[in-house]
Amino acid sequence: AQTVTQSQPEMSVQEAETVTLSCTYDTSESDYYLFWYKQPPSRQMILVIRQEAYKQQNATENRFSVNFQKAAKSFSLKISDSQLGDAAMYFCASASKGNQFYFGTGTSLTVIP
Amino acid sequence: GAVVSQHPSWVICKSGTSVKIECRSLDFQATTMFWYRQFPKQSLMLMATSNEGSKATYEQGVEKDKFLINHASLTLSTLTVTSAHPEDSSFYICSARDYRVVSTEAFFGQGTRLTVV
Repeated sequence: AQTVTQSQPEMSVQEAETVTLSCTYDTSESDYYLFWYKQPPSRQMILVIRQEAYKQQNATENRFSVNFQKAAKSFSLKISDSQLGDAAMYFCASASKGNQFYFGTGTSLTVIP
Repeated sequence: GAVVSQHPSWVICKSGTSVKIECRSLDFQATTMFWYRQFPKQSLMLMATSNEGSKATYEQGVEKDKFLINHASLTLSTLTVTSAHPEDSSFYICSARDYRVVSTEAFFGQGTRLTVV
């Protein structure tokens, strides 16, 4: 089984500033993937970024990047130049190929104008 | 990215009736579908996993006779809440994956808000 822990229930950031959301995980799998999903008020789950565990290089998608520390089992999300549209619930998740996703409890991000 | 369509987006039903929620993969073959339940401001709780053509695997504590899941084709899975009660009111989300594809991303439906009165 896998577990995902998000220790920050709520975070806030000033518009245009940078914020980092924390996530730790535990898995016995050797081949796994890590994800950050965003859930805005519409409640549609949107993939923000994905990291293959076998890749050492941190994934980057425009303003979103991760800090993947495999030995520490840490997978934090950094949002640069925060925008009002970034306000949402953010879920960290892990999955091994073909299997179910394990989600953290989520972090509610508020962007302050 | 791939699209998963979930219908209806919201439904109100009377206590004791049954409600069916559909989840369709529009442009890929969903070999595996997952059904989640989400309470307000909480995470997604996996209810069951279904593979095309076989019986669903339910998580511990989920009543299989109450939450009927059918995954008869590679593009359609349904969740039927039978004899619904007010405590079944929740937000239900499906997600789909094609494990034959290298990418392991799961694609999510828009969710269904069920209210039982």
